[in-house]
Amino acid sequence: DTAVSQTPKYLVTQMGNDKSIKCEQNLGHDTMYWYKQDSKKFLKIMFSYNNKELIINETVPNRFSPKSPDKAHLNLHINSLELGDSAVYFCASTTRGKNIQYFGAGTRLSVL
Amino acid sequence: SQKIEQNSEALNIQEGKTATLTCNYTNYSPAYLQWYRQDPGRGPVFLLLIRENEKEKRKERLKVTFDTTLKQSLFHITASQPADSATYLCALIPNSSGDKLTFGTGTRLAVRP
Repeated sequence: DTAVSQTPKYLVTQMGNDKSIKCEQNLGHDTMYWYKQDSKKFLKIMFSYNNKELIINETVPNRFSPKSPDKAHLNLHINSLELGDSAVYFCASTTRGKNIQYFGAGTRLSVL
Repeated sequence: SQKIEQNSEALNIQEGKTATLTCNYTNYSPAYLQWYRQDPGRGPVFLLLIRENEKEKRKERLKVTFDTTLKQSLFHITASQPADSATYLCALIPNSSGDKLTFGTGTRLAVRP
């Protein structure tokens, strides 16, 4: 009955590889986010989609490409992975205007 | 530049005491301020939201204050318990950016029995 679910939970890969992280929410929300939490635990927004439309795109390398096939799903594809991409990536969702965000459990990405 | 600052050092308190965590911000005009709890290996969980025109909000053992003149929010946990041990994050929604949340760095709280 998980509200916001991310897969995989852990991802270990080599530099230069391409990987994807998936997120799904069953809360009926219309807005979804990707955040990056670095080793110092700082949580920073990367992208936001509302009804499949990109509404927030922070200064993120264009190796990161979000895709929202429908308002319940937001995936993150990362090309040419670098050591500095190692972090925990969190997906979140909300109903636009409600402001309270619901987070997934995170995907710990380790780039070797 | 915009900043949201929370005590980076862990707060250690005795069970039963009141924990008080601080969130200071600069160069923001937040419409809302929120507090989240994050446990190790988990995502943040929403606790309380306070609006810019509210001074105080309570929920069970939790209390949040919001002083837009001092640009500060205080988060209190009364009668603290070891189960309250976690990292607490404050987050702002600036007036200008709708539903974009900007988080502080978090403060780790440890409640010892």
